[in-house]
Amino acid sequence: GAVVSQHPSRVICKSGTSVKIECRSLDFQATTMFWYRQFPKQSLMLMATSNEGSKATYEQGVEKDKFLINHASLTLSTLTVTSAHPEDSSFYICSATQPIAGREQYFGPGTRLTVT
Amino acid sequence: DAKTTQPPSMDCAEGRAANLPCNHSTISGNEYVYWYRQIHSQGPQYIIHGLKNNETNEMASLIITEDRKSSTLILPHATLRDTAVYYCIVRSYNNNDMRFGAGTRLTVKP
Repeated sequence: GAVVSQHPSRVICKSGTSVKIECRSLDFQATTMFWYRQFPKQSLMLMATSNEGSKATYEQGVEKDKFLINHASLTLSTLTVTSAHPEDSSFYICSATQPIAGREQYFGPGTRLTVT
Repeated sequence: DAKTTQPPSMDCAEGRAANLPCNHSTISGNEYVYWYRQIHSQGPQYIIHGLKNNETNEMASLIITEDRKSSTLILPHATLRDTAVYYCIVRSYNNNDMRFGAGTRLTVKP
């Protein structure tokens, strides 16, 4: 089956710094990737949809200048949390889908971000 | 996309079938039912999806009622490793994004 990886799996950063999370589709080309955030004991919340070669579409309430998304190739999307604060500490999960209508999404293993 | 309603939690004995219900009474004709699960601190895992016919794969069976307003995910022989949060999601065929509800926390007990 299709595999999506994320790097790093865990990251601790200091308040005010930026951190980049990578999402890769390992064995398929993903024209669309998605970024989710999950707080403890809560469900996944869609943050943004990332299309290869174009600007990401952000969900309402998600600051585009704080969560920078780049989808430069068909196998790589990155999420940069800029000027991180403790409230940005969360589990960030990406997913990717093949360019076939109705195809299921394949999720990465997630990145645990802790901002101190 | 149509909203879904799932019980917040369920228990199941190891080796028995786990039947997880999902209500999606506002589903429209071009919307599919997808099931994912999330084991603690991992990314969601695809299980199965269907439109109107019952579906079966190596992981589970999906039973969709004739009026398509509800469905049931069946894990035929639950194991302790099936303990997870199970999400039922309704999504139109041409819409790629997946929006998660609260899901059902299934606990398989020995």
